[in-house]
Amino acid sequence: NAGVTQTPKFRVLKTGQSMTLLCAQDMNHEYMYWYRQDPGMGLRLIHYSVGEGTTAKGEVPDGYNVSRLKKQNFLLGLESAAPSQTSVYFCASRERLAGEGNTQYFGPGTRLTVL
Amino acid sequence: AQSVTQPDIHITVSEGASLELRCNYSYGATPYLFWYVQSPGQGLQLLLKYFSGDTLVQGIKGFEAEFKRSQSSFNLRKPSVHWSDAAEYFCAVGRSGTYKYIFGTGTRLKVLA
Repeated sequence: NAGVTQTPKFRVLKTGQSMTLLCAQDMNHEYMYWYRQDPGMGLRLIHYSVGEGTTAKGEVPDGYNVSRLKKQNFLLGLESAAPSQTSVYFCASRERLAGEGNTQYFGPGTRLTVL
Repeated sequence: AQSVTQPDIHITVSEGASLELRCNYSYGATPYLFWYVQSPGQGLQLLLKYFSGDTLVQGIKGFEAEFKRSQSSFNLRKPSVHWSDAAEYFCAVGRSGTYKYIFGTGTRLKVLA
């Protein structure tokens, strides 16, 4: 199993450009998440999904959109990138069941710089 | 409001010394508690977790953590630190029936040879 994978690993954008980050998981997990990590701020939840075709806003959703057309994929889109979106983006997934299934598994991250 | 506090931003210890990283939470219900480690340029790896039962939890790489409900704490410990433990450590909290987790701001560990 590859676990959770993210593409690309690095990207540099100019202000106003758009891009899509792809997260894929092969663990048949129901829930998927997008976080951003900034120095001194820990991980902040952008959007999440509790199943195919459903998405919801997290703590910092502004400027981002997401889609979950297939259970194994969770896409994060930036329609018009801003320098404030320079960050490291992490995807995570977990099973639907409570208890042991409550553990999140993280991807390796995407480092995005917006000039 | 729900929150997780890691009061130490940076900690420096000598190799072979003991380590304790602090984590305090504010969460109405019985929490699920996690410690993750992040090496430079890497993703987050789960060290250990507490869901219920024994309040002393053993994890990977020789780490352990103790859940103290009365103190709302879940401190991470290691009796003898190795140079390879240098990394950033995150405490996180969730609970059954919710989809979201709250992460602390992290503690960066430096290990002196």
